[in-house]
Amino acid sequence: QQQVKQSPQSLIVQKGGISIINCAYENTAFDYFPWYQQFPGKGPALLIAIRPDVSEKKEGRFTISFNKSAKQFSLHIMDSQPGDSATYFCAAVPMSGGSNYKLTFGKGTLLTVNP
Amino acid sequence: DTEVTQTPKHLVMGMTNKKSLKCEQHMGHRAMYWYKQKAKKPPEVMFVYSYEKLSINESVPSRFSPECPNSSLLNLHLHALQPEDSALYLCASSLQTGGSPLHFGNGTRLTVT
Repeated sequence: QQQVKQSPQSLIVQKGGISIINCAYENTAFDYFPWYQQFPGKGPALLIAIRPDVSEKKEGRFTISFNKSAKQFSLHIMDSQPGDSATYFCAAVPMSGGSNYKLTFGKGTLLTVNP
Repeated sequence: DTEVTQTPKHLVMGMTNKKSLKCEQHMGHRAMYWYKQKAKKPPEVMFVYSYEKLSINESVPSRFSPECPNSSLLNLHLHALQPEDSALYLCASSLQTGGSPLHFGNGTRLTVT
C-alpha cells in the first residue's frame, strides 16, 4: 500500500523553466513533509520541508505548496538549472507520534534540466 | 559534503563472505538508521537505533546484523548474502527518533556475486 503518491515519474524542463512535482498522501496522521534531493552516487539530502500549519514555504528557488484539505503538496523549482538535475523524493512522517524513522517516501521523480 | 560518513564506498563480496559496513557521525545525533535502496526506488528502512539501543528491526533477514558500539558509530555486519541483496546501503542519523530530519550518508554500493 503506497501511502505517498508522487508524480510525474520523470520530468524534462528547459533551463530557466519551472519544475513542478506533486505528491498526495492518505494518512491524516502525517504532519511533517520533507523533500529530498538525490544525485547519482550520493545519498538523499534534505532540500526543504513543511508542516501543515502553513500553506507555503519558500527557500531560494524552491517552494513547497501545501493543501491540507486535499492532502496534497508540491515542490516548485523556479528558474530551473542543469545542476538541479537529480531525483527528488517527497516524504511524509507523523512527527507528533515520535516515530520519526517511519519516513514514507514517494517513488521519486527524475528531473532533467536541459541547458 | 555529508556529515554522515560511510565506508567503504563500494564493496563486492561473494555469497560466502563476511564483511562489515561502517557509519560515523559527529553531530551529536542520538538516532541512527540503516536504509537499503535499490536502483530507481526510494530508500527503505532496515534498522533504527535510539540511544545506542536497537528500537526497530523492519523484518530484515538475519544475514544482516547491525551493531551500535557508541553514539557516533553504526555498523552493519553482512554474512551469506544473496545476489538480490545487491543495493545501495545508506546510513542516516537524526537528533532523536522524533521531531528531527534525517541526515543521510552517501552510502555503500554493495554487489553480491
